[in-house]
Amino acid sequence: GQSLEQPSEVTAVEGAIVQINCTYQTSGFYGLSWYQQHDGGAPTFLSYNALDGLEETGRFSSFLSRSDSYGYLLLQELQMKDSASYFCAVRSGYSGAGSYQLTFGKGTKLSVIP
Amino acid sequence: ETGVTQTPRHLVMGMTNKKSLKCEQHLGHNAMYWYKQSAKKPLELMFVYSLEERVENNSVPSRFSPECPNSSHLFLHLHTLQPEDSALYLCASSQGEVGYGYTFGSGTRLTVV
Repeated sequence: GQSLEQPSEVTAVEGAIVQINCTYQTSGFYGLSWYQQHDGGAPTFLSYNALDGLEETGRFSSFLSRSDSYGYLLLQELQMKDSASYFCAVRSGYSGAGSYQLTFGKGTKLSVIP
Repeated sequence: ETGVTQTPRHLVMGMTNKKSLKCEQHLGHNAMYWYKQSAKKPLELMFVYSLEERVENNSVPSRFSPECPNSSHLFLHLHTLQPEDSALYLCASSQGEVGYGYTFGSGTRLTVV
């Protein structure tokens, strides 16, 4: 089966750095994605790692180690607006032209406090 | 707005009702998806449509019936639902470039009474 593990909740102070880990066990692997979802809102795409290493996009970075089936999302200079749920997702299959399967973790609720 | 619009935002229905959820995207994407989001559970893939053909049905009960009349519209027809079907139903679309991810709508919050 497919499973992704990530912490259910994390609390961090405004201005600090926080790392959200994700380990996965999937029958297929093409890459690891991260999504952000504010309460009542749509999940929004943050990053995608297909190869080992660190990808940086502004204050957010994402890391992948395929040999360890592990990745993390790093958020720097935390702001109050970063309070949200963060989901890791594995691209585990290809369903046809333009489509691909994503298997999601349960999400990590990040609370940023003053 | 994300470019993917879902209506209605909220829906309350009885177990004997028939209703439909609508999803619309004008991003030029050629794949569309339905996901179910329940509290404390991962997003669950329900259906995948690629170029208007259903390419994935993830063992979803027949009381959920998808329809994709064209590449911009996706429906989820609901009938004789159960209270455990109460959840947030999310529509998403994608293009071939995986690095851009899915674009999700804001979802329909469904309550079955």
